[in-house]
Order: sequence, then C-alpha cells, then structure tokens
Amino acid sequence: SAVISQKPSRDICQRGTSLTIQCQVDSQVTMMFWYRQQPGQSLTLIATANQGSEATYESGFVIDKFPISRPNLTFSTLTVSNMSPEDSSIYLCSVGGDYEQYFGPGTRLTVT
Amino acid sequence: GENVEQHPSTLSVQEGDSAVIKCTYSDSASNYFPWYKQELGKRPQLIIDIRSNVGEKKDQRIAVTLNKTAKHFSLHITETQPEDSAVYFCAASGVGNEKLTFGTGTRLTIIP
Repeated sequence: SAVISQKPSRDICQRGTSLTIQCQVDSQVTMMFWYRQQPGQSLTLIATANQGSEATYESGFVIDKFPISRPNLTFSTLTVSNMSPEDSSIYLCSVGGDYEQYFGPGTRLTVT
Repeated sequence: GENVEQHPSTLSVQEGDSAVIKCTYSDSASNYFPWYKQELGKRPQLIIDIRSNVGEKKDQRIAVTLNKTAKHFSLHITETQPEDSAVYFCAASGVGNEKLTFGTGTRLTIIP
C-alpha cells in the first residue's frame, strides 16, 4: 500500500486562528479523503478531495470552514478555519484505489 | 445516505477464545465492507475486507462474513491474543472509490 504522511503530526492553536494540514502520498492515487475523529469517537468523513476541482463536502461540513485543495494526484491540504475548541480532534487523510482505503497517521489538533 | 450500526460497543474475551463483532448497513447498494483495527494513538489499519459477490473471507485468525439479504456482516477473530486488543471499526461503501461510512466502533479487550 502507499506510504502516506501528514504534517503537522500535532498542534495546539488558539481560537480564531486557522491551521493547514498537509497530506502527501508516495504514489499517485485516485481518491483522497479527509476524516475527523473526535476523542473516543468513530471516523466522520469531512469531504472528498477532487483533483483539479472543488472538494465534495458531506452534510454538516462547509467549504468556508474546511477549505480543501488537491493540486495533483499525490498531495492535498485541509484547512481548519476560525477554530474553536469544538474543532479539537484528530484529522486524518485517506487514500483509495479500486476499493481499499488507507489512512495517514493523523494530525492531533487542540484548540485553546 | 448509508447508516452503519455496530455491536457491541465493548467486548472482553479470555485469551484464546473467539470474538465476534457485528454490523448492519442500510443501503442495499453498498457492496464493499472493510474492517479497521485502531490501536491507541495509531491510525486505523485495514485488516480485512469483503465485497458483495463473496459470502465469506478468511485471513489466518480473522474472518468476515456477509449476508446481503439481511444487510449485515460480521468480523470473527479466533484464538485471540493480547495484541488483538484494540478498537475495531466496520465500514461500508458503494461502488469502488466511494466514501466509507463507519460504524461506531467496538473496543475489544483480551484478558490474559
């Protein structure tokens, strides 16, 4: 499977600021996704990152809050904007081929 | 949209015994069902998956069964070992490359 990295691995941010998370894959992949995992909870899909076009957001997530870029088939970014303590979570990217999806190591975000 | 229910939320078994985790899904169009294992502080790891054209799949001590009529699938772990202790998530998706909907997770504890 592909090697997936995320930056930063963790961060502590003040409310009202923004953080951009990067996801890098060592090979070209068809699909890239962004998930959120709140403490002790399951994974919730934020959006599908589409190469060369706007991301597809799930219900409850909007572009103004979570802008996503995907300039090529190996890289994507997720920005968490105007953060509040409720945004404290682990953010994970995943990549997919035909069926299987594999996850990056995650970014642990704490908002104070 | 798809809804995945997972039971039980916690499960404790004696080392060497078997563990079974069950999931049901709502969308009859779903045709791909992976299982992920997440250890504390780690990313979810794909451990086994099954597609709708197969009723059962086995990989060493792990097996997954699928009943498309009843819309449920199960993870079976035999001869459990302490390293099997983790949170397990089931998921479902449609045609290849589509988004995953996750169950709520099962915390499995193996008692030595």
